[in-house]
Amino acid sequence: GEDVEQSLFLSVREGDSSVINCTYTDSSSTYLYWYKQEPGAGLQLLTYIFSNMDMKQDQRLTVLLNKKDKHLSLRIADTQTGDSAIYFCAVTSGTYKYIFGTGTRLKVLA
Amino acid sequence: NAGVMQNPRHLVRRRGQEARLRCSPMKGHSHVYWYRQLPEEGLKFMVYLQKENIIDESGMPKERFSAEFPKEGPSILRIQQVVRGDSAAYFCASSPSDNTGSKDGYTFGSGTRLTVV
Repeated sequence: GEDVEQSLFLSVREGDSSVINCTYTDSSSTYLYWYKQEPGAGLQLLTYIFSNMDMKQDQRLTVLLNKKDKHLSLRIADTQTGDSAIYFCAVTSGTYKYIFGTGTRLKVLA
Repeated sequence: NAGVMQNPRHLVRRRGQEARLRCSPMKGHSHVYWYRQLPEEGLKFMVYLQKENIIDESGMPKERFSAEFPKEGPSILRIQQVVRGDSAAYFCASSPSDNTGSKDGYTFGSGTRLTVV
């Protein structure tokens, strides 16, 4: 079945850029998503990318998609302490079921 | 327009008791999805419901778990005879349609954190 993998932890200094990586096995997802989960909260849709795009920029967020390598990344520019959270990538395998990665816990050091 | 409402936020049950988790979808949304997040893991699909119908329950454990979405009222995820391994965060999401390939993604509730002692 579909598998989505992410590294578990990332630590950066405030003001630096963060890059969170994700690899997936099934390429039938029309959209690929990044969700943010703050402590004790639900998931908030952060951004998405359409599968026929290579890059999408949205203010401090840049999403890169390499379909050949089945690799998705999320870059956060000028990372702030408020960005500390768990970030999940998700694909849909062409259905309503979302397949989530295990999440990357981003810690921003002041 | 309230978001997806889940209650309770936290639920503690003793082994063998029943847990009932409620989810009220966003106004105008008739499709509900339940996901489970075990500690240190991502969310896993459990069940997809429309009003009065279970569309896909392929992610539900075969025993003790059931879900419903009645014509009136919230969707309910019911876990009978809970065990320690059921301790997890249970999230509900809703959408106006089956959301296949939608750029909007799902709207998630804040979850119910179930602790079995």
